[in-house]
Amino acid sequence: AQSVTQPDIHITVSEGASLELRCNYSYGATPYLFWYVQSPGQGLQLLLKYFSGDTLVQGIKGFEAEFKRSQSSFNLRKPSVHWSDAAEYFCAPLDRGSTLGRLYFGRGTQLTVWP
Amino acid sequence: DTEVTQTPKHLVMGMTNKKSLKCEQHMGHRAMYWYKQKAKKPPELMFVYSYEKLSINESVPSRFSPECPNSSLLNLHLHALQPEDSALYLCASSPRLVEEQYFGPGTRLTVT
Repeated sequence: AQSVTQPDIHITVSEGASLELRCNYSYGATPYLFWYVQSPGQGLQLLLKYFSGDTLVQGIKGFEAEFKRSQSSFNLRKPSVHWSDAAEYFCAPLDRGSTLGRLYFGRGTQLTVWP
Repeated sequence: DTEVTQTPKHLVMGMTNKKSLKCEQHMGHRAMYWYKQKAKKPPELMFVYSYEKLSINESVPSRFSPECPNSSLLNLHLHALQPEDSALYLCASSPRLVEEQYFGPGTRLTVT
């Protein structure tokens, strides 16, 4: 069965510190992979995506993610967190063999940033 | 421009009311989606349209009725809702199925 795991429900970091949010997936074949961010009461914004090729993917707002096939992981990173990064982050794989376009979301990681 | 718009932003309705949510995109995307999101939870897929045809209905109660009148517009008609249907309703679009999805800001629905 397909699944996605975000092990950390809540992470707290100080402003200026580095950040890594974890995402692991279990799919028959490597899925397409996405990270989304959601501020309170808002829609989801696409941060970055991985389809194939270079395993280090650059996104918006200074975020990057690294795809590791051997670990079935797609962790999100940022070298220096800003207070405005406080939000909910969702990892979402998409079965590339699907004809239905069903996007599965992890449960999310809530990021709190201390000043 | 990667913008999906949704109206209204907020909606309060009684259990006997009929209302509609509207979603629009002008990116030429041919797949559109409705999601429901409860507080502190990830979005849950409700419906998927591809080339204006319904391709997924995730066993959603019939009090929710989707409609895709053209490739740019997606509606969600609501009738006889229950208080537990109160949630953030998100619309998304993608160029085609199995591509990245772009989300609108959502409609916050409260059923009284």
